[in-house]
Amino acid sequence: QVQLVQSGAEVKKPGASVKVSCKASGYTFTGYYMHWVRQAPGQGLEWMGRINPNSGGTNYAQKFQGRVTMTRDTSISTAYMELSRLRSDDTAVYYCARDEIVGDPHFDYWGQGTLVTVSS
Amino acid sequence: SYVLTQPPSVSVAPGKTARITCGGNNIGSKSVHWYQQKPGQAPVLVIYYDSDRPSGIPERFSGSNSGNTATLTISRVEAGDEADYYCQVWDSSSDHPDVVFGGGTKLTVL
Repeated sequence: QVQLVQSGAEVKKPGASVKVSCKASGYTFTGYYMHWVRQAPGQGLEWMGRINPNSGGTNYAQKFQGRVTMTRDTSISTAYMELSRLRSDDTAVYYCARDEIVGDPHFDYWGQGTLVTVSS
Repeated sequence: SYVLTQPPSVSVAPGKTARITCGGNNIGSKSVHWYQQKPGQAPVLVIYYDSDRPSGIPERFSGSNSGNTATLTISRVEAGDEADYYCQVWDSSSDHPDVVFGGGTKLTVL
């Protein structure tokens, strides 16, 4: 069965960076885009960007350009999202989500989420 | 950038029909996807490409999309349907394509 298992909760200070991992299993990792979506406490869903695990190509939301880096390690079927220069309003649950490479993006499987808390 | 507008809340009695709208400029020309999110859980895809249902999603969930409004319809609402619902599109109209989510609608089962 398809599973996306994310790394554990993080607490970071303002200005620091955080790197969240998402390990995929149950399907061909390179056959699907991996997206990252975040959700601040009590707020809605916000798209951050995506990576094509086959090519390593990325598309980032304009809001996060210059602060986010998405990478992958195909040998262990794992995608990573690194966010730098953290601010308090980056406190959120960060999700990875799978998407077919063809057609319009939509997310049929999600990770369990990783809470990132930014606090001094 | 493209904006999707959802009502913040919808209330419905058990057994009745709930309709959750998602408004956007000429949204009928885009494909709309819907997610259900219960407290403390990751979102779950309930409708994709306007009206298709993933396996395991009850037939009570249906979708439509035309003009400036897409609609998620939940028939014979049950207590377990109480959740937040989000619509989502792919906005490829600019030189910077984006995934766009609506603000979410909290469905309350009375």
